[in-house]
Amino acid sequence: GQNIDQPTEMTATEGAIVQINCTYQTSGFNGLFWYQQHAGEAPTFLSYNVLDGLEEKGRFSSFLSRSKGYSYLLLKELQMKDSASYLCAVLDSNYQLIWGAGTKLIIKP
Amino acid sequence: IAGITQAPTSQILAAGRRMTLRCTQDMRHNAMYWYRQDLGLGLRLIHYSNTAGTTGKGEVPDGYSVSRANTDDFPLTLASAVPSQTSVYFCASSPGLAGTDEQYFGPGTRLTVT
Repeated sequence: GQNIDQPTEMTATEGAIVQINCTYQTSGFNGLFWYQQHAGEAPTFLSYNVLDGLEEKGRFSSFLSRSKGYSYLLLKELQMKDSASYLCAVLDSNYQLIWGAGTKLIIKP
Repeated sequence: IAGITQAPTSQILAAGRRMTLRCTQDMRHNAMYWYRQDLGLGLRLIHYSNTAGTTGKGEVPDGYSVSRANTDDFPLTLASAVPSQTSVYFCASSPGLAGTDEQYFGPGTRLTVT
């Protein structure tokens, strides 16, 4: 079967750095997405990785290792507004997104 | 209209009733999707459409139907609602056909079936 694993919840301090991990086992791989979802709102796109390595976009970076079935999202200089759920999703061999359950990130002052 | 809209925002529905959730986008995107989101589970794809006139089944299509008569609209119909269909429903769209583009989500419809 297809499986995406992420921690259920993480807590971090304002101004700090946090890494949210995602491991996957899917039938095929055509890229990995990260989305942010604030409580009661729709998901919004953060990043897309299809090749191994780190992609940086402002305070957010995303890393992919296809051989390990592993990705992480790195958030730097955390702000209170970063409190949200972070969703990992893999595009499988049928080009359909398989979603993880999400990681709820709680930022404390 | 700017982006993607859904209606209604929320609905309480008696079991056995028929219900259509509406979704409209004004971005001229080719692909559209319907997901349901339940606590503790990831988003699950119900149905999708790669272009007007075509639809396909996702991971959890049973009990749901869709149509794509034009580019902008992608309604989701529950023919006879059951309590297990209580969920938050998100419509999404993306420009391309291959799935590698980001998806833009509507604000969601919170549906309670009693």
